[in-house]
Amino acid sequence: DTAVSQTPKYLVTQMGNDKSIKCEQNLGHDTMYWYKQDSKKFLKIMFSYNNKELIINETVPNRFSPKSPDKAHLNLHINSLELGDSAVYFCASSQTGTGTYGYTFGSGTRLTVV
Amino acid sequence: AQTVTQSQPEMSVQEAETVTLSCTYDTSENNYYLFWYKQPPSRQMILVIRQEAYKQQNATENRFSVNFQKAAKSFSLKISDSQLGDTAMYFCAFTSAGGTSYGKLTFGQGTILTVHP
Repeated sequence: DTAVSQTPKYLVTQMGNDKSIKCEQNLGHDTMYWYKQDSKKFLKIMFSYNNKELIINETVPNRFSPKSPDKAHLNLHINSLELGDSAVYFCASSQTGTGTYGYTFGSGTRLTVV
Repeated sequence: AQTVTQSQPEMSVQEAETVTLSCTYDTSENNYYLFWYKQPPSRQMILVIRQEAYKQQNATENRFSVNFQKAAKSFSLKISDSQLGDTAMYFCAFTSAGGTSYGKLTFGQGTILTVHP
């Protein structure tokens, strides 16, 4: 039973397209996150939701829009994809809003924009 | 803002030997948590060990232990009896229980560890 599952694992698309990445957790955690890992492997937070409410919204282009229909799901929609959006996107969840017990990560979605 | 620095881009070790990965951080918070995550070639991020700043005792998990020096803001990871499966990128990470880092895990740049047979 996968604790945090993301789909798809790989996504190759053309510039200008719109795409979505889905994430689901079955751990009963209250908080979910999106992180971006760039080509240098640096991980940076994009968004967090606590029980469907947006808590953290880092400086991310507004082409990126997260949506949380319930506390077990957090999706990421990206409009008008650009070459610079190519990266690995990780979904994660934590037991509390503070993340002080650590996060459980999904396996990542490698997005390639051509 | 909190920062996490890993000054060793790459390390290597022979199987069965011990290796230490370094991490320093900068914060004005008093109540915070530190982590080491492992990312093998499979890309999965795996929590290795967690340390609470208010606990003096260093955390240990089987072959993994930390040397937490709060005054020096240092948090190194020691891997004993290294195994081939320990080959991975290791990330040091920080979060606080309040303040500007609330709920946000800040990562270091990562250290690539290679275990040689």
